[in-house]
Order: sequence, then C-alpha cells, then structure tokens
Amino acid sequence: QKEVEQNSGPLSVPEGAIASLNCTYSDRGSQSFFWYRQYSGKSPELIMFIYSNGDKEDGRFTAQLNKASQYVSLLIRDSQPSDSATYLCAVNSPSGTYKYIFGTGTRLKVLA
Amino acid sequence: DTAVSQTPKYLVTQMGNDKSIKCEQNLGHDTMYWYKQDSKKFLKIMFSYNNKELIINETVPNRFSPKSPDKAHLNLHINSLELGDSAVYFCASSLDGTGGKDTQYFGPGTRLTVL
Repeated sequence: QKEVEQNSGPLSVPEGAIASLNCTYSDRGSQSFFWYRQYSGKSPELIMFIYSNGDKEDGRFTAQLNKASQYVSLLIRDSQPSDSATYLCAVNSPSGTYKYIFGTGTRLKVLA
Repeated sequence: DTAVSQTPKYLVTQMGNDKSIKCEQNLGHDTMYWYKQDSKKFLKIMFSYNNKELIINETVPNRFSPKSPDKAHLNLHINSLELGDSAVYFCASSLDGTGGKDTQYFGPGTRLTVL
C-alpha cells in the first residue's frame, strides 16, 4: 500500500464549478498535511496546510481533514482555467522527522 | 530575489559521468531537502539536512552524495550516472522540518537527462 494515495486523474470540471481532490494516507501518526500545486514544467508551490480535524478555508480553497478516516481533501470553488495543474498532497510523517511524503498528484483540468 | 535557487536548470550528460547540482536558499531556514521527480511526476524525498547535518537518507544509492557546507547550501553530487537517474531534481527548504506549519519552498528544479 502506498503511503499517500491520490487519484491521478485527469479530473475535468467546467469553469465555475467546484473541484474536489482527495488524498488518503496510511500512517496514523501523521500530524501535518499539505496541498501543493504544480504547473507543468514548474516547481510545486504551497496552497494550504492543515493539521486539525475539520475544514480550513483560504479564499477559493478549502482543505478538509479527517484523521479517523485518514483522508484529506481540497475543494476549489469557482474553478478557473488557471487552476489547471497537478495537485500534490503531502504528509509530514511522522511529525518531527523531517520527512515529507508526497502523493503522485491529481491532474486537474478546468474547461472554459 | 529568488528564495531557493538551483544550478544548473538543465543538465545533459553521458552515462558514467559525474555531475553536481547546487542549491542555495536565502530564507534563513534550518532544513533543506533533495527530491527526485520521475517521468510520472512522483516526487520522492532523497535527503533531508538540518543545520548541515544529514537527517534523512531515503535508501538512495551511494552514488548520490549530498554536501551541506552551511545551512544555506545543499549540493548534490552524482557519480557514475545511469539512465535511470534521468529525472527532475528539486531542492527545497523549510524553517525547521518538524511539520506543523512548516512550509517547504521549492527551487525551480534541475532537469537531468542521461544519454
């Protein structure tokens, strides 16, 4: 079983819709969870981090964490064509060991 | 001002050669990392350094030797390059590497092609 799993996609959504990206992780000791966006040919850039159960909102982005079910999700409201990218879920696992594990990423396509 | 910089951006070389990639961060972070991203976009951690000390070595072949002369620099030397080493190598840094709100900042990447 992979440590951090994501559906590779592509996930296609129309412009203005909500895009929902999911990630599951295997290490119950994981403490911190990150969503990165990576445009083709570019480096990953942080969108959000979350470490408490529940929702965390930042502009059009909402991260959701459920530690009991070991999943973390990212919702993008009012999706724009410029949101088209690969979204990487990352887990600091376990906390304090300088080790970040990334999922394989979900490719999102927002159709104009 | 570039926060995390890497050189070179592209590296094309023959099998068996030795090459180095340099990384520098001007963020004042204590922790630096090397990642390898393969053709399927899987980003895998190779090494973590905290204050010039090696913390994580993720079963990387010993042909790969990182060096951190100070906490702002983390270089990667690769001996006897193989075809399977072709990938994009990203350097990253973070404040202390302990998770929580510790955000990683990535360099622009070095695309290594081994012929």
